[in-house]
Amino acid sequence: QKEVEQNSGPLSVPEGAIASLNCTYSDRGSQSFFWYRQYSGKSPELIMFIYSNGDKEDGRFTAQLNKASQYVSLLIRDSQPSDSATYLCAVNIGGTYKYIFGTGTRLKVLA
Amino acid sequence: NAGVTQTPKFRILKIGQSMTLQCTQDMNHNYMYWYRQDPGMGLKLIYYSVGAGITDKGEVPNGYNVSRSTTEDFPLRLELAAPSQTSVYFCASSQSGTGNTEAFFGQGTRLTVV
Repeated sequence: QKEVEQNSGPLSVPEGAIASLNCTYSDRGSQSFFWYRQYSGKSPELIMFIYSNGDKEDGRFTAQLNKASQYVSLLIRDSQPSDSATYLCAVNIGGTYKYIFGTGTRLKVLA
Repeated sequence: NAGVTQTPKFRILKIGQSMTLQCTQDMNHNYMYWYRQDPGMGLKLIYYSVGAGITDKGEVPNGYNVSRSTTEDFPLRLELAAPSQTSVYFCASSQSGTGNTEAFFGQGTRLTVV
């Protein structure tokens, strides 16, 4: 059974701080990795994707991938109360068209 | 600019009843997915399709059926509803299944089985 694991949280950070969200996955063949944000009662929306080892930056968001350690993370700089949501990690199952989601980490940014 | 449209938004079913959750997309995407999300949990893949006429099982297919007769539509069928199927159901589509393109989600269908 392929798995994607996340700490469910809540992760509480003060406004303006860096929020660090982590995700581990079991399938070494996974090639694509996604971070989605989901507000309560809403559908998921893509924040970032990454497929190469290292860092990828987009505005206040940085995704980090380490395939050797099977670890992907999302850093949110200058966290805002509007960033308060659940962040879902999704991983492509190697050799297939399937994406497996983690249970999500709930982030609370305190004003 | 509709994207992925799901109907209905809410539904209450009695145990043993059947229903079809509708999903249609207007982006000409080949890949479509059905997920369920239980409270406080992530998304579990039920079925997916890589094109018209082609479907395959995901993580939790039992109790569900799908069909894909056109590129646009990907309905999900519940034949004998059970309380364990109470969940929020999301349909999604993407241009590429394994590439680096995002999946677009519908607004969800909240289903309660009593």
